[in-house]
Amino acid sequence: GAVVSQHPSRVICKSGTSVKIECRSLDFQATTMFWYRQFPKQSLMLMATSNEGSKATYEQGVEKDKFLINHASLTLSTLTVTSAHPEDSSFYICSAPLMDTQYFGPGTRLTVL
Amino acid sequence: QQQVKQSPQSLIVQKGGISIINCAYENTAFDYFPWYQQFPGKGPALLIAIRPDVSEKKEGRFTISFNKSAKQFSLHIMDSQPGDSATYFCAASRGGNYQLIWGAGTKLIIKP
Repeated sequence: GAVVSQHPSRVICKSGTSVKIECRSLDFQATTMFWYRQFPKQSLMLMATSNEGSKATYEQGVEKDKFLINHASLTLSTLTVTSAHPEDSSFYICSAPLMDTQYFGPGTRLTVL
Repeated sequence: QQQVKQSPQSLIVQKGGISIINCAYENTAFDYFPWYQQFPGKGPALLIAIRPDVSEKKEGRFTISFNKSAKQFSLHIMDSQPGDSATYFCAASRGGNYQLIWGAGTKLIIKP
């Protein structure tokens, strides 16, 4: 199957700093990618849809100025958590569709101290 | 109408038994129903998926049963193994729209 990578897998940062998470489709192109957030023992919550060459579409309640998304190429989308705070600590997962299937990255564990 | 309801929340099955997880949906526009398996600290991985034009799909020990009239679908894991212990999510999407609507998840534990 198709492979989606994420980098970094874990990041610990101080409150007030910004963190960038990369999502890459390794063996296919994706004009659309999705960013999710997952809290412990909960389902995935869609944060935004990343569109290559255009602005991301954010879900209701997600602050676009806090979670900056850039879909720079057909294989790369980045999520930047700006001025991170402890409540932003979570597991962030991206996905990219190929044919009918969404393929997920391994996730990034963000801890904000 | 966008919800996908998943049950049970948790499930314990003896090794060799059958694990059954159920999902129900409201939106009849949904036409793609995947099941994902997620291990702790990992991203979800596609297990098996079905479209409403078939009532059952089997891949190895995993089977999806689909009841279009009842708007329900279920995952059956035959000969359950300890390695199957994970969280399972059902999902649904519609008409080429890749956005998935997720169930709440089922934590499955297979006892050796």
